[in-house]
Amino acid sequence: DADVTQTPRNRITKTGKRIMLECSQTKGHDRMYWYRQDPGLGLRLIYYSFDVKDINKGEISDGYSVSRQAQAKFSLSLESAIPNQTALYFCATAWGNEQFFGPGTRLTVL
Amino acid sequence: SQQGEEDPQALSIQEGENATMNCSYKTSINNLQWYRQNSGRGLVHLILIRSNEREKHSGRLRVTLDTSKKSSSLLITASRAADTASYFCATGGAVVSGSRLTFGEGTQLTVNP
Repeated sequence: DADVTQTPRNRITKTGKRIMLECSQTKGHDRMYWYRQDPGLGLRLIYYSFDVKDINKGEISDGYSVSRQAQAKFSLSLESAIPNQTALYFCATAWGNEQFFGPGTRLTVL
Repeated sequence: SQQGEEDPQALSIQEGENATMNCSYKTSINNLQWYRQNSGRGLVHLILIRSNEREKHSGRLRVTLDTSKKSSSLLITASRAADTASYFCATGGAVVSGSRLTFGEGTQLTVNP
């Protein structure tokens, strides 16, 4: 079984809708991250969390919010989706300096 | 803006040849890491080199780091078709700062059988 899982894997939605992407991990890591990847670009950090009570904004947090429901769960929400949020979204955990990535969620906003 | 910039953006070679990818960065780092991404999938950690190291090996991978030039290179020797993927460098801060990584834009490597 995968250590970092993301649901859904694919989602198509309409402008203005609220969307939640979920991430779960069985690695027991405290640190978790949300990134987005646009075609031909590297990953950009949206939010990260050191533990359940510690949430931090990344470089592109506008239009997004997160919730760390438990050590194992870190959700990303788009309150009112817009087309330029169409991207591939990755969740990751960290142990030491190494990060472990989920398989990604492909989100399309029409 | 991205911390890391990679060169070349795309590289196409024949199986058995060596592949070299370069990464430049702008600010001081604690470590530099290389990740691999197969098409549309999550990234997989390949190797980490600390700022006080100059060279590191792992199997067919060789990474160098030149902090004076703020650059790193990843060499894959005796490439295989299965090495076809995108390769990203990522610069990292200390664990106490949350181990945030800043990724480059990646090099798309194609290894032709």
